[in-house]
Amino acid sequence: GENVEQHPSTLSVQEGDSAVIKCTYSDSASNYFPWYKQELGKGPQLIIDIRSNVGEKKDQRIAVTLNKTAKHFSLHITETQPEDSAVYFCAASRSGNQFYFGTGTSLTVIP
Amino acid sequence: DTEVTQTPKHLVMGMTNKKSLKCEQHMGHRAMYWYKQKAKKPPELMFVYSYEKLSINESVPSRFSPECPNSSLLNLHLHALQPEDSALYLCASSQETNRDWGEKLFFGSGTQLSVL
Repeated sequence: GENVEQHPSTLSVQEGDSAVIKCTYSDSASNYFPWYKQELGKGPQLIIDIRSNVGEKKDQRIAVTLNKTAKHFSLHITETQPEDSAVYFCAASRSGNQFYFGTGTSLTVIP
Repeated sequence: DTEVTQTPKHLVMGMTNKKSLKCEQHMGHRAMYWYKQKAKKPPELMFVYSYEKLSINESVPSRFSPECPNSSLLNLHLHALQPEDSALYLCASSQETNRDWGEKLFFGSGTQLSVL
């Protein structure tokens, strides 16, 4: 089965700096890679996703890059703000209903 | 409407109680999921319903009983739970229309369950 590893487990950045979270996956058949943001007491919220036929996707301050050859993908948040503080989960999926989640990164943005 | 609505938000129950968690979506999604999440851990898949039929059961104990009355509703019936079952229970849905690609998964806010 698929195995998704996520690093780092915790990340602290100064407000305005950039944050990068990295994930690796093992199954070359995985073709869809979403990122979720989870705030305390809430469910995970989809913030950006990418399919394997695309190398990069950007939405305002967040971007995701995918390297299929190396089987890794990354979340980039620029100009971080205190409201970006949350736990972020990466995931990998292919056709079907199985989503394999990374172990999560707790991001703290220091004002 | 891109919401998955879960009720109740919080639930405290004893080990002999019977309770139910409810989930509703009106996005026309045909796959619905139950996940269990412990603090600081990723969601763990419990059940998947596809077109109102149970398609995945991740070897969940029988004290958890899912039900999908129609394409918009999903229930999780709880009976004789243990304290270690205390967790955040998340409902999710996806379109289930594209068999070649993984699809967007939308989560509800969850029910925080405490078993005493």
